[in-house]
Amino acid sequence: DTEVTQTPKHLVMGMTNKKSLKCEQHMGHRAMYWYKQKAKKPPELMFVYSYEKLSINESVPSRFSPECPNSSLLNLHLHALQPEDSALYLCASRQDRAATEAFFGQGTRLTVV
Amino acid sequence: AQSVTQLDSQVPVFEEAPVELRCNYSSSVSVYLFWYVQYPNQGLQLLLKYLSGSTLVESINGFEAEFNKSQTSFHLRKPSVHISDTAEYFCAVSDSGGYNKLIFGAGTRLAVHP
Repeated sequence: DTEVTQTPKHLVMGMTNKKSLKCEQHMGHRAMYWYKQKAKKPPELMFVYSYEKLSINESVPSRFSPECPNSSLLNLHLHALQPEDSALYLCASRQDRAATEAFFGQGTRLTVV
Repeated sequence: AQSVTQLDSQVPVFEEAPVELRCNYSSSVSVYLFWYVQYPNQGLQLLLKYLSGSTLVESINGFEAEFNKSQTSFHLRKPSVHISDTAEYFCAVSDSGGYNKLIFGAGTRLAVHP
């Protein structure tokens, strides 16, 4: 199984809503990532978890709150988002070392209204 | 810190013609290089990777890339493209000092015309 599964595939939320994005992998990977991708732009790193601990936060606003409840799951909690946060949110995982490839999910298309 | 530069934002090409997508990287330590492809409204799929060993790496669908340390490049090539190769291509770098970061270039849009 080389899949990274993200749910939901699409999400529309208001600026006062609270929602969560979910990501799951069963490859035994101990590094998990959240990326944000705007249209016609590259993926932009947001967070990295290594062995369920947050190792990198790329100065992401606090309205995005990541969580890694166990080695297979990664969540991204969303609260009080802005319309400019609308984007494709991608989850990825890989072995916890640089000399390995990352596997990506299909993404969650988020629209903030 | 590592970084990646993709020199061409768009590359138009006719079907069955050869193509080269350029990628240059910057890093002060050992690097690992990747090419990913993204089709519309989808995630990223690994096309090929350079981790160590032979500097020429190949994919199952005819793409190849060559790691050139002296020129800090990892250009992607295909001798004959198909319409189905139309997609966005991202070069990415990870290095041994990067705390597990995987950083992407700006991307190159390959448009194959009949």
